[in-house]
Amino acid sequence: QKEVEQNSGPLSVPEGAIASLNCTYSDRGSQSFFWYRQYSGKSPELIMSIYSNGDKEDGRFTAQLNKASQYVSLLIRDSQPSDSATYLCAVFPHPLNNAGNMLTFGGGTRLMVKP
Amino acid sequence: NAGVTQTPKFQVLKTGQSMTLQCAQDMNHNSMYWYRQDPGMGLRLIYYSASEGTTDKGEVPNGYNVSRLNKREFSLRLESAAPSQTSVYFCAVQPGGSSYNEQFFGPGTRLTVL
Repeated sequence: QKEVEQNSGPLSVPEGAIASLNCTYSDRGSQSFFWYRQYSGKSPELIMSIYSNGDKEDGRFTAQLNKASQYVSLLIRDSQPSDSATYLCAVFPHPLNNAGNMLTFGGGTRLMVKP
Repeated sequence: NAGVTQTPKFQVLKTGQSMTLQCAQDMNHNSMYWYRQDPGMGLRLIYYSASEGTTDKGEVPNGYNVSRLNKREFSLRLESAAPSQTSVYFCAVQPGGSSYNEQFFGPGTRLTVL
């Protein structure tokens, strides 16, 4: 079982809709959670970080964390065609399981926003 | 790309050739990382360096070597390239002293081994 799981998609939503991206992780002691956006042929770009249970909003993006259920999600409101990209979930495991301060990445979900 | 540069941007090698991928940062961060990204496999850590002069293996280190000669630069070397090393390689940095563990990526090197 992979440590960080994402549905590979593609997730297709119409322009203006809410896109919901989900991620589950296996290390219950994980402390930090990140969402990266990656356009085709480009490098991952950090768009959201979340460290405590609940919601964190930044513009059209909302990250949601539920440590008890071991999932983190990203909501994109008013989706635009320019949001079409692959979204990578990354988790920082518990330090006892992470001697090198390494992030563990999911495989990514491809989002397509159709005009 | 958050002050991280990578050279070259593209490279084609023949099986058995060697090459070094270069990564440099201008932010004085302690930690640097090398990842490879393959379709369907996500990002996988090859090697990392927590500080100048130290390096450690990640998830997929076989066939690679690294060097962190100074705080600014972290290089990845393929001694004898194989077709299985065809991939996109990303260097990343993590701010020293940060308790939040964000990593920031360079633009990547696209490598093809024939």
